[in-house]
Amino acid sequence: GENVEQHPSTLSVQEGDSAVIKCTYSDSASNYFPWYKQELGKRPQLIIDIRSNVGEKKDQRIAVTLNKTAKHFSLHITETQPEDSAVYFCAAGANRDDKIIFGKGTRLHILP
Amino acid sequence: GEEVAQTPKHLVRGEGQKAKLYCAPIKGHSYVFWYQQVLKNEFKFLISFQNENVFDETGMPKERFSAKCLPNSPCSLEIQATKLEDSAVYFCASSRNTDTQYFGPGTRLTVL
Repeated sequence: GENVEQHPSTLSVQEGDSAVIKCTYSDSASNYFPWYKQELGKRPQLIIDIRSNVGEKKDQRIAVTLNKTAKHFSLHITETQPEDSAVYFCAAGANRDDKIIFGKGTRLHILP
Repeated sequence: GEEVAQTPKHLVRGEGQKAKLYCAPIKGHSYVFWYQQVLKNEFKFLISFQNENVFDETGMPKERFSAKCLPNSPCSLEIQATKLEDSAVYFCASSRNTDTQYFGPGTRLTVL
């Protein structure tokens, strides 16, 4: 089955700097890669997703890149703000299965 | 509705008691997923439905866990004879076309 590895587990970034979170997946059949942000005690919220037919997608300060050959994808947050502090999860899914397999999460701290 | 709804928010059970959790998917979404998030933030897929049919139950501990999605009723996840290790937040998610999944607020189950 699919296995998703996520690094780092914790990341501290100065406000205004960029943050990068990296994930790898094992199942070459995976073709959908969402990223979720989860604040303490809240539901996971989708912030961006990418499908395997594109290599990069951007939405304002958030971008995701995908390298299908290497089976890795990354989340980039630029100009970080205090409200970006949360736990971020990458995930991978394949149409044939539909469930998504999550990474273990990255706790992002934005330092003032 | 426009958001996935889950009830109750919190549930406390003594070990060996039954627990029943409910989920109302977003109107028009035909896929429902249940995930378990344990204390270390890890998500575990439990089961998915396409309308009232089980789509994928590979994550379900079948001895004590069961789930249903009946027409015109909220979906439910039931745990018979709860154990301490069942303590977790249980999230329901729904999707329209087996792709983007939107999560509910979760039910925190505490087994004492």
